[in-house]
Amino acid sequence: KAGVTQTPRYLIKTRGQQVTLSCSPISGHRSVSWYQQTPGQGLQFLFEYFSETQRNKGNFPGRFSGRQFSNSRSEMNVSTLELGDSALYLCASALGENSPLHFGNGTRLTVT
Amino acid sequence: GENVEQHPSTLSVQEGDSAVIKCTYSDSASNYFPWYKQELGKRPQLIIDIRSNVGEKKDQRIAVTLNKTAKHFSLHITETQPEDSAVYFCAASTATSGTYKYIFGTGTRLKVLA
Repeated sequence: KAGVTQTPRYLIKTRGQQVTLSCSPISGHRSVSWYQQTPGQGLQFLFEYFSETQRNKGNFPGRFSGRQFSNSRSEMNVSTLELGDSALYLCASALGENSPLHFGNGTRLTVT
Repeated sequence: GENVEQHPSTLSVQEGDSAVIKCTYSDSASNYFPWYKQELGKRPQLIIDIRSNVGEKKDQRIAVTLNKTAKHFSLHITETQPEDSAVYFCAASTATSGTYKYIFGTGTRLKVLA
């Protein structure tokens, strides 16, 4: 069974640009969530989608947005990039509520 | 808002000793408590989980205990080995009618000294 796939693995962008990250969940998993991880900051929750509906959103500015498609694949978008957005962005999928999360390898975003 | 506190932030133990990491959650409706291990440069992976109707669960050298009254759960690793060195995250999940939250602790960096 294929795991969670995130693309691209690495991205370098400049301030002010926008970026789109992609996540393909494990087949059959309808829940997809996104996390930002910076050194020493743990896993900061961005948002969670289930069957194309955003069920929960973390405390991030409106520049961070996401969506989920009918095939459960998800994208997150960050507009007007700032230096502080440099981080590892992790996507995780799950079968449903109160289930283990299966993480992808992440997309490492560097903003210069 | 709801949160999960995790302690300690760093922990160093001698190989063969035990390690204990503790988490406290605030939402009394939380009913699922997983633990994830993240090795350097790798993705977080589930190592053990426990549900609110169980007080303790064990898997070889790893065990988790849950005290619902105190809203407290702990990870216990016995006979630690160098490959146990990693960052460990606890989480508390809440699924009630129309609401679903999965909140992580801030992580514990465990170093097992050979």
